[in-house]
Amino acid sequence: ETGVTQSPTHLIKTRGQQVTLRCSSQSGHNTVSWYQQALGQGPQFIFQYYREEENGRGNFPPRFSGLQFPNYSSELNVNALELDDSALYLCASSLLGTGDYEQYFGPGTRLTVT
Amino acid sequence: AQSVTQLDSQVPVFEEAPVELRCNYSSSVSVYLFWYVQYPNQGLQLLLKYLSGSTLVKGINGFEAEFNKSQTSFHLRKPSVHISDTAEYFCAVSDAGGFKTIFGAGTRLFVKA
Repeated sequence: ETGVTQSPTHLIKTRGQQVTLRCSSQSGHNTVSWYQQALGQGPQFIFQYYREEENGRGNFPPRFSGLQFPNYSSELNVNALELDDSALYLCASSLLGTGDYEQYFGPGTRLTVT
Repeated sequence: AQSVTQLDSQVPVFEEAPVELRCNYSSSVSVYLFWYVQYPNQGLQLLLKYLSGSTLVKGINGFEAEFNKSQTSFHLRKPSVHISDTAEYFCAVSDAGGFKTIFGAGTRLFVKA
């Protein structure tokens, strides 16, 4: 069973640029959630995708967008990067509809905006 | 709206001593409660979860937590800690649909020899 993987591991971007982060869900999972974890803080919920549709969103502006593909892999896109976007971005996959609610996290992508 | 408060940002403790990491939550609806652990430069790993049933929940690595609905608390405990337990611990609450999970700010557990 393959766990959750994320790419790239680290990324450095300049303010105003756009970035795409990728996540491969655990085999058999139908849901992916994205979180932003700033240094010294807990993860903040960005949004969740279930069967390729956005299923819930946290307090993040529209320049944060996502996609989920038929194979349940996912992308997080951030436009017009700001310095405060520097953080660890975590994706987590789960299987909605089973009553389990456990999320399996990837190792994260460390984004630095300069 | 749901929220999670972890009452201690750092907890230093000697090896083999007991530890309690405190978590309070607020929610107007039924919730599911979780504790996750994060080791340096890694993602989060589930320690334990409360969905329903017994209020005392046992997890991995010898950790347990007790759900107290009247006090809206979900404190994490371990009777004897090891150096390897040094990590960041996050309490989290999810709504009944599992659509959104709110995390606390984390508690840094530092186990000293």
